Amino acid sequence: GAGVSQTPSNKVTEKGKYVELRCDPISGHTALYWYRQSLGQGPEFLIYFQGTGAADDSGLPNDRFFAVRPEGSVSTLKIQRTERGDSAVYLCASSLWAGLGEQYFGPGTRLTVT
Amino acid sequence: GENVEQHPSTLSVQEGDSAVIKCTYSDSASNYFPWYKQELGKGPQLIIDIRSNVGEKKDQRIAVTLNKTAKHFSLHITETQPEDSAVYFCAASSWDMRFGAGTRLTVKP
Repeated sequence: GAGVSQTPSNKVTEKGKYVELRCDPISGHTALYWYRQSLGQGPEFLIYFQGTGAADDSGLPNDRFFAVRPEGSVSTLKIQRTERGDSAVYLCASSLWAGLGEQYFGPGTRLTVT
Repeated sequence: GENVEQHPSTLSVQEGDSAVIKCTYSDSASNYFPWYKQELGKGPQLIIDIRSNVGEKKDQRIAVTLNKTAKHFSLHITETQPEDSAVYFCAASSWDMRFGAGTRLTVKP
């Protein structure tokens, strides 16, 4: 079966613009996670969903960041009024159920804010 | 919250030698400890994991050990090969997951 997919693979945007990043989890996985990875660092937790609800959004850096998962499958990470400091690779992962462990990652979206 | 520290940040070994990467964690509630391998331009790939009720786990050339009392866990790679060269991340998790900063492993042929 297919793994986690993310689109676009690369996104270049100008400072102040709005962007949406999409994640398609592994079919049947009920938990979905978003991370941000800066160069030379480990993934940094942003938010996770169990089903449609955001179970923990404590990692979102500020209110410019928002994520949804309306039907419990595909998720969109939304960033408003982008800043140069938002430039990073945004990773999505999914697992069968939150708290069970094994998370499987997508290839990431490289966001560059100019 | 959970804090994971990983050492060393870089590691260079000769092909055939062993490599060891160590991590410590702070939250005693963490009960799941995966290791990921990340190659350039790709997402992290789960290579092995261990749960808090187990002290050691092995899968071919890769093994992981966990000391819950000391809150540290380690990755051991034996008979290293050039294709093992990558960045390795440890993580600790209860409900959400916290990662170490990574170790860049280089295996010289």
